[in-house]
Amino acid sequence: EAGVAQSPRYKIIEKRQSVAFWCNPISGHATLYWYQQILGQGPKLLIQFQNNGVVDDSQLPKDRFSAERLKGVDSTLKIQPAKLEDSAVYLCASSPAGLLSYEQYFGPGTRLTVT
Amino acid sequence: DQQVKQNSPSLSVQEGRISILNCDYTNSMFDYFLWYKKYPAEGPTFLISISSIKDKNEDGRFTVFLNKSAKHLSLHIVPSQPGDSAVYFCAARKAGGTSYGKLTFGQGTILTVHP
Repeated sequence: EAGVAQSPRYKIIEKRQSVAFWCNPISGHATLYWYQQILGQGPKLLIQFQNNGVVDDSQLPKDRFSAERLKGVDSTLKIQPAKLEDSAVYLCASSPAGLLSYEQYFGPGTRLTVT
Repeated sequence: DQQVKQNSPSLSVQEGRISILNCDYTNSMFDYFLWYKKYPAEGPTFLISISSIKDKNEDGRFTVFLNKSAKHLSLHIVPSQPGDSAVYFCAARKAGGTSYGKLTFGQGTILTVHP
């Protein structure tokens, strides 16, 4: 079974530029999550999708971050414009719907450096 | 508001000995607790979980203990092996609500097992 795929693995941009990350979840997983992990901290949920609908985006800085999950499969997360404090690893995770939804499967992440 | 805390940033143990990683939480509404392991340049991988109605769950060398009255859980690894060296994250899921499945993570503990 293929795992969660993410690209790119690394990205370096200057502040005020824009960037996009892509995630392809495990086949059949209805729930998709985007997390931000700042160095020395645990992952923080940015947005959660159930199929192609947003379930929770309460911690997404909506003035600069946006995310979509077209057709309920893969997803993109965009930052525009980037700030220095956006430097972090962006993790995508997926889980099957239902009671087992607590067990999330993570991709390798995209390490973003904003200079 | 840090609802899940791992107060030890790092832990060093000798191969063959026991590793004990600790986690405290503040929200009584959490219904599942999980431990994830993370190697460098990889995403977190699920290790073991425990329901809030239980006080112990064991899986091979890994045992998680839950003390609800103290709002404390711990992960025991016996015997510790050098391959266990990684960052360990404690996570908790809040029961019900619209963001079902949302996990709140602690800051992580770096475990180093010396040969």
